[in-house]
Amino acid sequence: EDQVTQSPEALRLQEGESSSLNCSYTVSGLRGLFWYRQDPGKGPEFLFTLYSAGEEKEKERLKATLTKKESFLHITAPKPEDSATYLCAAHNTDKLIFGTGTRLQVFP
Amino acid sequence: NAGVTQTPKFRVLKTGQSMTLLCAQDMNHEYMYWYRQDPGMGLRLIHYSVGEGTTAKGEVPDGYNVSRLKKQNFLLGLESAAPSQTSVYFCASSRQGRGETQYFGPGTRLLVL
Repeated sequence: EDQVTQSPEALRLQEGESSSLNCSYTVSGLRGLFWYRQDPGKGPEFLFTLYSAGEEKEKERLKATLTKKESFLHITAPKPEDSATYLCAAHNTDKLIFGTGTRLQVFP
Repeated sequence: NAGVTQTPKFRVLKTGQSMTLLCAQDMNHEYMYWYRQDPGMGLRLIHYSVGEGTTAKGEVPDGYNVSRLKKQNFLLGLESAAPSQTSVYFCASSRQGRGETQYFGPGTRLLVL
């Protein structure tokens, strides 16, 4: 069964403390791996799409990477405004499968 | 561009009542989707549409109906609300297929008593 698992469920960081969020997937025929950011009370906001193992994409303090089994969202020197829930989703040949998210809190 | 908008933002229903959630997009996207988001679960697809006049079932379609009479609008109906339908509902759209980036609306929080 196709599945996407995100870890940790929650992460607390001090401002400037770099870390990584994990998205493990078991998907037949991966067509794309998506990362979204979701602020409380709002809809998911698109961040990145990765299509093949070895691919990397960056945006400000965020960098997403992809292997054949998992994707990482690296956060370098985070700021309080990076606090949000980060969702990943894997696209197989048929549908988009979402993980349950990692809730990130960054404290000043 | 407003992107994807949803109305209402919040609604309380009694069991057995009906309601319609409205989604509108101004990006001329072909595909539109309705998801529900529940604590501890990933977003789950209820119904989707691949173009004006078309609809299809997603993972959790029971108890919901949809219509896409105009390309820019996608309606989600609950004919007889149940407490299990208490959730946050998100509409999304994409230019073409599900493998393309989906853009989400702000959500509708529904409480069924």
